Amino acid sequence: AQSVAQPEDQVNVAEGNPLTVKCTYSVSGNPYLFWYVQYPNRGLQFLLKYITGDNLVKGSYGFEAEFNKSQTSFHLKKPSALVSDSALYFCAVRDIKGFQKLVFGTGTRLLVSP
Amino acid sequence: DSGVTQTPKHLITATGQRVTLRCSPRSGDLSVYWYQQSLDQGLQFLIQYYNGEERAKGNILERFSAQQFPDLHSELNLSSLELGDSALYFCASSLTGTDTQYFGPGTRLTVL
Repeated sequence: AQSVAQPEDQVNVAEGNPLTVKCTYSVSGNPYLFWYVQYPNRGLQFLLKYITGDNLVKGSYGFEAEFNKSQTSFHLKKPSALVSDSALYFCAVRDIKGFQKLVFGTGTRLLVSP
Repeated sequence: DSGVTQTPKHLITATGQRVTLRCSPRSGDLSVYWYQQSLDQGLQFLIQYYNGEERAKGNILERFSAQQFPDLHSELNLSSLELGDSALYFCASSLTGTDTQYFGPGTRLTVL
């Protein structure tokens, strides 16, 4: 079965510093990978996805993610963190059997301090 | 704003009751997905509809059912509610041929 793992429950970073939120995947075949962000009392917002092509994917709000097939990773990155980036981040993979259903990781809380 | 709407925002009810959650997908999206987010289970896929037909089922309890209507809005029915059903229920929609799902703001269900 397709799955993703987010090894860190929380990531702390100072404003202005680069941030990385980690995700590793386990899939059969080619992975379809996604990052979503959830702000308090809000729904999930799509940030970016990797289907095929360049290993560096650019998304919304200055975020990008690097797909690494050899390490089966899809880490989310941003060169300079903002306090407003503080939120819950989810990595997800499209399930191959469930038509298009998404299988989510457990989420990583990002806390950016001023 | 994703364009996906969900009503109500909050729902408080008692054990044993039945509730209906409503979702309107983005204009043009034929696929609707329902997910449950709880502290112990995380984000779990429940069920998917495409143009009125059920397409995929996840870990959806028999007490739960859903449907998608001709105008493409969807309803999730939860019956014989238990305390453990308290969660955030999200609806998402996607355009045919694309992989990106857009999520609504969710309905927070509290079962007392």
